Amino acid sequence: EVQLVESGGGLVKPGESLRLSCAASGFTFSSYSMYWVRQAPGKGLEWVSAIDSSSSYIYYADSVKGRFTISRDNAKNSLYLQMNSLRDEDMAVYYCARKGTMIRGEGGWFDPWGQGILVTVSS
Amino acid sequence: AIQLTQSPSSLSASVGDRVTITCRASQGISSALAWYQQKPGKAPKVLIYDASSVQSGVPSRFSGSGSGTDFTLTISSLQPEDFATYYCQQFNSYPLSFGGGTKVEIK
Repeated sequence: EVQLVESGGGLVKPGESLRLSCAASGFTFSSYSMYWVRQAPGKGLEWVSAIDSSSSYIYYADSVKGRFTISRDNAKNSLYLQMNSLRDEDMAVYYCARKGTMIRGEGGWFDPWGQGILVTVSS
Repeated sequence: AIQLTQSPSSLSASVGDRVTITCRASQGISSALAWYQQKPGKAPKVLIYDASSVQSGVPSRFSGSGSGTDFTLTISSLQPEDFATYYCQQFNSYPLSFGGGTKVEIK
């Protein structure tokens, strides 16, 4: 069974840092691009970042560029999101998601998704 | 950046109704569009990809159509388990983007 499990969320103050992890299982992790998507409380979905299978191509939403860093460790089947200089508006449930296809190229759809992890930013 | 505009933002419908949700892209995205269903407290689940391909395991009452800038998600006969929020997403180019969502409620 394909599974993605996020961890590392919690309560932080504005300006602090947090590192999210996503453990993947049930598929060949090193063959897929991976993504982070977030959802602020009561709001819609927002794509955050993407990384291709070999970490050669990395993309960020403008809202997090320069503050967040996506990375992966294919040997550990894990995806990460280092979040620095957190702001109130970064408070959200963060989902990791796999690209829906192994086909390389531009972005893809998200399938499957992890269960999500809550990041709370509050003083 | 490509913006996606979904309409309506919410709708009320009865079991058995035919429901149509539209998604308009600010520029052409070919068929690089997916549709998701999200229930409260749960992660989204893909229903449709490549604008009209139904994901394995998704009931046949769900269908997608369109290309270029105008897309449609149709539920042919609404079932109780379909009451949820639906999102479109473009993957034609970065930054990837979602529509604002359509909440389907019970009439």
